[in-house]
Amino acid sequence: DADVTQTPRNRITKTGKRIMLECSQTKGHDRMYWYRQDPGLGLRLIYYSFDVKDINKGEISDGYSVSRQAQAKFSLSLESAIPNQTALYFCATSKEGLDTGELFFGEGSRLTVL
Amino acid sequence: SQQGEEDPQALSIQEGENATMNCSYKTSINNLQWYRQNSGRGLVHLILIRSNEREKHSGRLRVTLDTSKKSSSLLITASRAADTASYFCATPYNGANNLFFGTGTRLTVIP
Repeated sequence: DADVTQTPRNRITKTGKRIMLECSQTKGHDRMYWYRQDPGLGLRLIYYSFDVKDINKGEISDGYSVSRQAQAKFSLSLESAIPNQTALYFCATSKEGLDTGELFFGEGSRLTVL
Repeated sequence: SQQGEEDPQALSIQEGENATMNCSYKTSINNLQWYRQNSGRGLVHLILIRSNEREKHSGRLRVTLDTSKKSSSLLITASRAADTASYFCATPYNGANNLFFGTGTRLTVIP
């Protein structure tokens, strides 16, 4: 079983709909992240969380919200989806700060907003 | 910005050849990381090299870091078709709360 699991893996929705992408991990890491990947732009950080009570905005948080329901669960919501949010979304975890450690990624959630 | 930039954007080689990818960055770092992504899949961490290291090996991978030139290279020796993927360099920033990823090198290894 994957250590970082994302659901759904693929989703097609319409403009204005509310969408939730879920992430769960079995690695026991406190730090969790949501990234977005667009062709030619690399990965950009949306939100990150270092524990259940700690939520921080990343580079591109506008239009997104997150919920850290438990150490193992971190959800990303699009309250009112728009077409330019069409992208591949990744959840990731880390055991320690990124000045010394690495990220562990899920398999991604491909979202298409029509 | 802290962004790393990989070069070349795309690379196509024959199986058995070596593949070299380069990464440049703009500000001082305490480590640089390389990741691999198979098409449409999640990224997988390959290797982390610290700023006080000049070279690091892991299996068929060799990474170098030149902090004076703000550049790193990833060498894959004796490439295999299974090495076909995109490769990204990443550097920590924002107090090490985030990794800044480059746009990647897409490697194709032809059997």
